Formats: sequence, structure tokens, C-alpha cells
Amino acid sequence: SQTIHQWPATLVQPVGSPLSLECTVEGTSNPNLYWYRQAAGRGLQLLFYSVGIGQISSEVPQNLSASRPQDRQFILSSKKLLLSDSGFYLCAWSPGTSYGYTFGSGTRLTVV
Amino acid sequence: GENVEQHPSTLSVQEGDSAVIKCTYSDSASNYFPWYKQELGKRPQLIIDIRSNVGEKKDQRIAVTLNKTAKHFSLHITETQPEDSAVYFCAASMRGFQKLVFGTGTRLLVSP
Repeated sequence: SQTIHQWPATLVQPVGSPLSLECTVEGTSNPNLYWYRQAAGRGLQLLFYSVGIGQISSEVPQNLSASRPQDRQFILSSKKLLLSDSGFYLCAWSPGTSYGYTFGSGTRLTVV
Repeated sequence: GENVEQHPSTLSVQEGDSAVIKCTYSDSASNYFPWYKQELGKRPQLIIDIRSNVGEKKDQRIAVTLNKTAKHFSLHITETQPEDSAVYFCAASMRGFQKLVFGTGTRLLVSP
């Protein structure tokens, strides 16, 4: 069966520090991968998605970036965090187009 | 643009009552419509989905209806229970079906 791993679960980082969140999927190949952010009590904002290695689509201009170095690995990064980057970051995968997502357990990021 | 509107933002019902959440979408080419349930502090989880070639789908106490002409779909929960309390998100496939756009969420509170 397929599983999605996301870490760390919680993170407290100072303003201006770098960020790296990692997500991996097991039990499938060539998944579609997604990064979402959810502010406290708010909806799901799509940040990036990828339909293949090296293929990244950005949805919202920001100081974040994403990379997909391997088929089942998706990384969210920032060189310098802002206070506004605080939130609940969720990685998700789907087997292809027009399929539901399976979300990872999320990373709660607090920028102080 | 790509947009999914969801109403109401909050919904309070008594245990045993029915609850209905409604969504409208903008892309007439959308063909996949999932619903997610998110409990406090946890990841969203898929509870039911429907494709554009189907008008209604049921799974025990949960049902989803789709009106393609009007571009709206609804989630129906019957015989609500306190454990149904959560935030519910609708979504619709967009942009060649490579991604889902989510509604803003409905906070459902079921009182005993």
C-alpha cells in the first residue's frame, strides 16, 4: 500500500533563517505531488505542484521554492523565513489527474 | 479564474439532524469533485468523491450531489453525530485536472 511521510511534525524557526521540509511517498511511482499551506483556522492554499521529476509549478509568488530531486521526494525550501510563513504545511500525493489527494500528517511551522 | 465557493462557513446542528454544505465551481471542464474532513490539528481526509459522469453518490450517512449545468455540488450528512464535528472542504479539479482547488471550508458543529 501507498504511504506518505512528512517531517518534521513541528518546527520553530527565527525570522530570516532557512527552511527545508521533506515529503516522500512509498508504494507508488510517478505520483503527482503537492505542497499546501493552511493558516490558523483558514483554508488550503496550494503553493506548488509537480507531475514529474524536475517539473514544478508555482501557484503563489512568495519566498518559498520547491524541488523534486527524485520521483517520490518533494522538498519545500526557503532561504529566509518571514513571520507570514507561519502555518500548517501539508504535502499530498495523487496517482494522477482527477484523483483525490492523500495528505501527509503536516508540519506546523512557527516563525518567531 | 479558478475558484470554488463554499457555503456556509459555519453550520451548527443538533445530533440527529441533517447537514448540507454547498459549493460552486468556475471551470466548466472540471470533472472530479472530492470532499475532505479535517479534524482539529489533523490532516484533511477524503470522505467521498464524485465524477462528472455521475449525478449522485452515497456512502452510508454521507451523500454528494452534482449539478453540472449549474456548476454546483453539495455534501449531505444525515443523522449527524457529535463525531461529525469538523471542518469540511470541497474541491474541484482544475487546469487539465492536474490540481484541485479547494473551497474555504465549513466548520460543522454537532451538539448532543
